[in-house]
Amino acid sequence: NAGVMQNPRHLVRRRGQEARLRCSPMKGHSHVYWYRQLPEEGLKFMVYLQKENIIDESGMPKERFSAEFPKEGPSILRIQQVVRGDSAAYFCASSGQNSNQPQHFGDGTRLSIL
Amino acid sequence: LAKTTQPISMDSYEGQEVNITCSHNNIATNDYITWYQQFPSQGPRFIIQGYKTKVTNEVASLFIPADRKSSTLSLPRVSLSDTAVYYCLVVNGGATNKLIFGTGTLLAVQP
Repeated sequence: NAGVMQNPRHLVRRRGQEARLRCSPMKGHSHVYWYRQLPEEGLKFMVYLQKENIIDESGMPKERFSAEFPKEGPSILRIQQVVRGDSAAYFCASSGQNSNQPQHFGDGTRLSIL
Repeated sequence: LAKTTQPISMDSYEGQEVNITCSHNNIATNDYITWYQQFPSQGPRFIIQGYKTKVTNEVASLFIPADRKSSTLSLPRVSLSDTAVYYCLVVNGGATNKLIFGTGTLLAVQP
């Protein structure tokens, strides 16, 4: 009964490279959320997706960031042309179909930009 | 979404009961209250959720007064491993379900 799986756990990129973060939701969950946590801060919502649809991307930076949740496979958070300020922990959560079901989080991907 | 206010930090000793109170004065009718626990280098872990009165599970109790403008997370007989950050969140059940995290309460349990 695996929980939310994120990989890689740690990712190092140089400025200007691309970062791809993957998230496999809990079995049976069709809702995926991405959050970002900067050092010493709380988590900030980025985007909410259901299968093949972006429902709410109000927390996504306007440029360089994109997310998808294809019909098959994990959800992907993609950051193009990374900059030092993108260094953070990126957490994925998933939930079931009912709106009052709690979100369950993975242990995150720690992105470091050199 | 209703804003929450909770103490920045709390100290306790092993074996004590710990109560963390959160205020959410602007909570709406459809909102419910959720608490998460986060250890360093890990994702938040769901603890408990409620709408009104009292909810209890195997790890905690949640007390919500009739006006719902506050809630109290109660941890019975804490141990050193309960040292963590605890987040109180108000969630709108009908909207996008995005969670708005504050800075949380850092609970430090000492021997």
